[in-house]
Parts: sequence; C-alpha cells; structure tokens
Amino acid sequence: AQKVTQAQTEISVVEKEDVTLDCVYETRDTTYYLFWYKQPPSGELVFLIRRNSFDEQNEISGRYSWNFQKSTSSFNFTITASQVVDSAVYFCALSVLLTGGGNKLTFGTGTQLKVEL
Amino acid sequence: DTGVSQDPRHKITKRGQNVTFRCDPISEHNRLYWYRQTLGQGPEFLTYFQNEAQLEKSRLLSNRFSAERPKGSFSTLEIQRTEQGDSAMYLCASRGPAGGDTQYFGPGTRLTVL
Repeated sequence: AQKVTQAQTEISVVEKEDVTLDCVYETRDTTYYLFWYKQPPSGELVFLIRRNSFDEQNEISGRYSWNFQKSTSSFNFTITASQVVDSAVYFCALSVLLTGGGNKLTFGTGTQLKVEL
Repeated sequence: DTGVSQDPRHKITKRGQNVTFRCDPISEHNRLYWYRQTLGQGPEFLTYFQNEAQLEKSRLLSNRFSAERPKGSFSTLEIQRTEQGDSAMYLCASRGPAGGDTQYFGPGTRLTVL
C-alpha cells in the first residue's frame, strides 16, 4: 500500500527565513511520481513541483527547491526567503498508476505554514 | 487556458437530501478525477474517468455516490440521501494525455450537511 507521511503539522517562521517541509513516502512501485501542492485559505490546490522516481537530481525553481532521496524515501521541499503570501497548507503526494494509464494521488495530511512579518 | 471549474462552490443541505456537483475540466484533458477532503486531512481519491469511461472507484465511494462523465467532457458527482458524514470539500482534477501524471485541481465544492 502507498502512504505519505508529513510529520510536521504546523510551522511558523518569520518572513525572509528559509523553511523546509518534510515528506516521507512508502510504495512498492519502482516507477512513481512525487508532488508538492499548495492549498491557500481559498481552498484550491495549486501544483508546485513534480519529481519522477528515476531522477534523483535535485533542482531549484525560483524560491523553491527540493531534495529527493530514494534511499530514505524522502522528498523534502524548501522555500527560500519566505514571504507572507507563502502562508498555506502544503501537501506532499505520491502518484499511483491506475487502469488505462491514469493515476491517483495519495496525499499526506499536510503542513500548515505560517509566515509572519 | 481556462482552469478546472466547479459548481457550486458551496452547498448546504439537510440530511437525507440529494445533491449534485459539476466539474468542468481543462479543455482537451481526457482524464478527470474526484477527491474528497475533510477538515485537517489531505484529499482522498474517489473516482477516475478516462474520457467517458469510469475506470476506477474507491471503496470510499458508497452506493449513495454516483459519478458520470457523459461525452467525456464535464462530470457530475451525485450524493443521494446525504448524511452528516458527507460534509467535506469535494475536489475535481483533470489531467491531459501527457504531462507526467500532473493533476490540476479546481476550487472545490464545500458541502455542509445539517
């Protein structure tokens, strides 16, 4: 069975601090995708980043970066120089293949990030 | 490119009533998904369509729930004889034929059953 664990329930930082959100996953699949989504108070889930299981190269995209380590089944997400607008719930998700080439996402319970002035 | 839209955004109903939600995916996205999210939890998969065919249903989808996607365009999710436990945010997502599994979500329909 697939499982995603986000142990951090809530994180509070002061604006301009860097913050790392942790994600640990479980799957028996050898090929899979991992995602981070952001859910602001409005409720809409916003796609942030995607990483496939066969590429462990870590990347940076603007203020976002991620650290994927297959050996420890972790997919951590870092926001550099946080801003108040980054305040939201962040979800880590694991993609599982379905019939017909589709996929379903298994989400963690989310981490509430509060960025204060 | 218009995003995923859902209607209504909010629905309040009394226990025992039927409700129907609509989702319009991103145009040309052939895959459509429904998820349910309760307070303090991540979204949970309910069902999946490829074009008009419903290919997967979660055990969460009791026989009071039914989903359709006529003609492979918009989709509807109906809940019959609503219960208080059905109160949740119902999220729709769509995905194109390419794109590395990325699903794009709509704003959701928040259901409150009194």
